[in-house]
Amino acid sequence: AQTVTQSQPEMSVQEAETVTLSCTYDTSESDYYLFWYKQPPSRQMILVIRQEAYKQQNATENRFSVNFQKAAKSFSLKISDSQLGDAAMYFCAYNSYNFNKFYFGSGTKLNVKP
Amino acid sequence: GAGVSQTPSNKVTEKGKYVELRCDPISGHTALYWYRQSLGQGPEFLIYFQGTGAADDSGLPNDRFFAVRPEGSVSTLKIQRTERGDSAVYLCASSSSGTPYNEQFFGPGTRLTVL
Repeated sequence: AQTVTQSQPEMSVQEAETVTLSCTYDTSESDYYLFWYKQPPSRQMILVIRQEAYKQQNATENRFSVNFQKAAKSFSLKISDSQLGDAAMYFCAYNSYNFNKFYFGSGTKLNVKP
Repeated sequence: GAGVSQTPSNKVTEKGKYVELRCDPISGHTALYWYRQSLGQGPEFLIYFQGTGAADDSGLPNDRFFAVRPEGSVSTLKIQRTERGDSAVYLCASSSSGTPYNEQFFGPGTRLTVL
């Protein structure tokens, strides 16, 4: 089974600074999809960014970008110009190309200091 | 509504009781998912529906858990003979199709507490 590991239970960043959240995964598949979801205290998960494994180019969405290292099975999230509204739990997730079943990491709690 | 809704938002029950959790997906979304999120953990897959049928129920922990989606829209997660270990937030998500790359839109969850 696929596993997703987020080794940073909690991180803090100063407003307007940059922070990187780490994620590694284990799989024997060659095609798959990776996601970062944000979960604020309201509990409603929101998609931040996604990456197709066959694409070498790293995905970007405004202030959010990823560093996808397929050989290392690493998928980190970089948040630039951090804002107070970025404070939340962030989950890394893996979805198989052939099976529609998300595997989530245990999450990283991001604190943003004013 | 515009998003995925779940009712109730909170449910407290006693050990051994039966509970039903409801999910209303986004209108027109054919794929629907249930997850369980224990305290301090990421969501754990339970079951995936494509239309009315369960395409993958491999995440259901045991036969006390059952889910239905009879008309391909609303889904109900049913838990029989609840145990204290069933206490968690149950999340529902929907997507426009079953394509793995599609964004899953999540509801706010139902917090289940078994006393």
